[in-house]
Amino acid sequence: DGGITQSPKYLFRKEGQNVTLSCEQNLNHDAMYWYRQDPGQGLRLIYYSQIVNDFQKGDIAEGYSVSREKKESFPLTVTSAQKNPTAFYLCASSILAGGTSSTDTQYFGPGTRLTVL
Amino acid sequence: SQELEQSPQSLIVQEGKNLTINCTSSKTLYGLYWYKQKYGEGLIFLMMLQKGGEEKSHEKITAKLDEKKQQSSLHITASQPSHAGIYLCGADKGTSGTYKYIFGTGTRLKVLA
Repeated sequence: DGGITQSPKYLFRKEGQNVTLSCEQNLNHDAMYWYRQDPGQGLRLIYYSQIVNDFQKGDIAEGYSVSREKKESFPLTVTSAQKNPTAFYLCASSILAGGTSSTDTQYFGPGTRLTVL
Repeated sequence: SQELEQSPQSLIVQEGKNLTINCTSSKTLYGLYWYKQKYGEGLIFLMMLQKGGEEKSHEKITAKLDEKKQQSSLHITASQPSHAGIYLCGADKGTSGTYKYIFGTGTRLKVLA
């Protein structure tokens, strides 16, 4: 079964801790994305990556970091510098980024809900 | 900045009724995506529309993109409880650069059995 997996489903963080959210895809997609979703708001882009070893900041990158060492994996670290990290985090992938609307269609993982204690 | 406005924000219908959700932009869109999200879960891709006047259907859900490519509608025929969830539209703005997408804030649909 091809798809995108995110783990864990629920994550609890203490103040001052860094935590890493996992995102893996076996769709052979080049592009991957991280979004944050808050109640009543749309998706906000944190980071995206067009290709291995390359990534770009999105609209709300402060307090977050990513890496893209493998095509299949795009982990997101929420650092202690992120002042309000409690949210639902969604990972997505697409065949390409910056191609056609068809190749750029994003497919999403099941999400990780992060709560700060 | 360009935004996608969805209406209504929420909708409650009786099972078996038809309903329509709208997604509107102030500028021309180069691709329009519809997704469905169950609470606490990821987004499920439903359909993508590209051409003005295009219409696509999947089971009882039909999506249309107007001729000017600034508005899309999602129509559900004979709604069922399984249709309940949040429907989001996303769009390709067609701008330069590798990230060129915007998303609406969603329409929350509840279907009463």
